[in-house]
Amino acid sequence: EAGVAQSPRYKIIEKRQSVAFWCNPISGHATLYWYQQILGQGPKLLIQFQNNGVVDDSQLPKDRFSAERLKGVDSTLKIQPAKLEDSAVYLCASRLGASAYNEQFFGPGTRLTVL
Amino acid sequence: RKEVEQDPGPFNVPEGATVAFNCTYSNSASQSFFWYRQDCRKEPKLLMSVYSSGNEDGRFTAQLNRASQYISLLIRDSKLSDSATYLCVVNTGGFKTIFGAGTRLFVKA
Repeated sequence: EAGVAQSPRYKIIEKRQSVAFWCNPISGHATLYWYQQILGQGPKLLIQFQNNGVVDDSQLPKDRFSAERLKGVDSTLKIQPAKLEDSAVYLCASRLGASAYNEQFFGPGTRLTVL
Repeated sequence: RKEVEQDPGPFNVPEGATVAFNCTYSNSASQSFFWYRQDCRKEPKLLMSVYSSGNEDGRFTAQLNRASQYISLLIRDSKLSDSATYLCVVNTGGFKTIFGAGTRLFVKA
């Protein structure tokens, strides 16, 4: 079974530029998450989708971050404009259903460096 | 107070040692609990779920204490390959997942 796919794996941009990340979850997984992981910290949830609806985006900096999951399958996360403090690994994860007891499966992440 | 707090690391232990990590959570309505393992520059992967009755998987034992709102992970007979960051994960209902900051473990020969 294919895992969670993410691209690109690495991205280097200058501050004030825009960037977009893509995620394709495991087939059939209705729940999709985007996390931000800053070096030395645990993953911080940015947004959670259930199918194509947003369940939780309370920690998403909406003035610069946006995410969509139009057809309830793959998803994109965009940052516009980027700041130095956005340098982090952006992890996408998926889960089979909404149950809190199901495991989350993570993609390899996109490592973003903002100069 | 953070919603999920873990023991600060790093833990440096010799091979064969027993090591224990603790994690406390603030929301008494939390429903499910997990330990994830994250190797350097890799994504987190599920190590084990934590059940109310406690559960064991080989050298790993997880415990949940709802009254005191903490979970623990015990690793017996540590191996070099156990060196990683261990993340405590708490779900408060179906839609909110919170990760702890992680505890780094170094097992040395």
